[in-house]
Amino acid sequence: GEDVEQSLFLSVREGDSSVINCTYTDSSSTYLYWYKQEPGAGLQLLTYIFSNMDMKQDQRLTVLLNKKDKHLSLRIADTQTGDSAIYFCAEVWGMTGRRALTFGSGTRLQVQP
Amino acid sequence: DTAVSQTPKYLVTQMGNDKSIKCEQNLGHDTMYWYKQDSKKFLKIMFSYNNKELIINETVPNRFSPKSPDKAHLNLHINSLELGDSAVYFCASSLGSSMNTEAFFGQGTRLTVV
Repeated sequence: GEDVEQSLFLSVREGDSSVINCTYTDSSSTYLYWYKQEPGAGLQLLTYIFSNMDMKQDQRLTVLLNKKDKHLSLRIADTQTGDSAIYFCAEVWGMTGRRALTFGSGTRLQVQP
Repeated sequence: DTAVSQTPKYLVTQMGNDKSIKCEQNLGHDTMYWYKQDSKKFLKIMFSYNNKELIINETVPNRFSPKSPDKAHLNLHINSLELGDSAVYFCASSLGSSMNTEAFFGQGTRLTVV
């Protein structure tokens, strides 16, 4: 996880937009992922973006990808208290046929009512 | 139906004991993984198996031995447990080992060594 960087904490008010940022390392990663982890739970895939895209929108979620800067962001519109969780970005690491996801440190999103 | 299921969900044990965590996936995937999440929430890949063959083994002490009896199961056996082994262990699976699709995660096993 130390090669994929995220800020550790973000606090927003309910109804505001949240933007979670991530810097990754491997420019050959075909896909980049955002996972959500609620307290005491496993990781749930939120969304992903193919590396030849700049933006992907999925309901309240917008993913922006800047390949030149190796920067990925997740924007959550109209943030709700149920969005409080840890958000992990992930890139694909390893050689062909021997790959796994490598994760950022996670950003803890706290939504204030 | 749970796609990736791990047992047990919680495991408390004494130092020096040997314990196993089991994982099963019913997605028909070829590749399975074990990840370790420490107290700071860092997630690290430990092992990966593709069709019962070990393909990733990431600087994990040899007290940890994964076993894949078939491609739907990947178990993790830990010998001589140490305090530092306390963590949440996640099993995951993906369609193939090239990671062109998402990985599905189990709910985690919280291991506490006392």
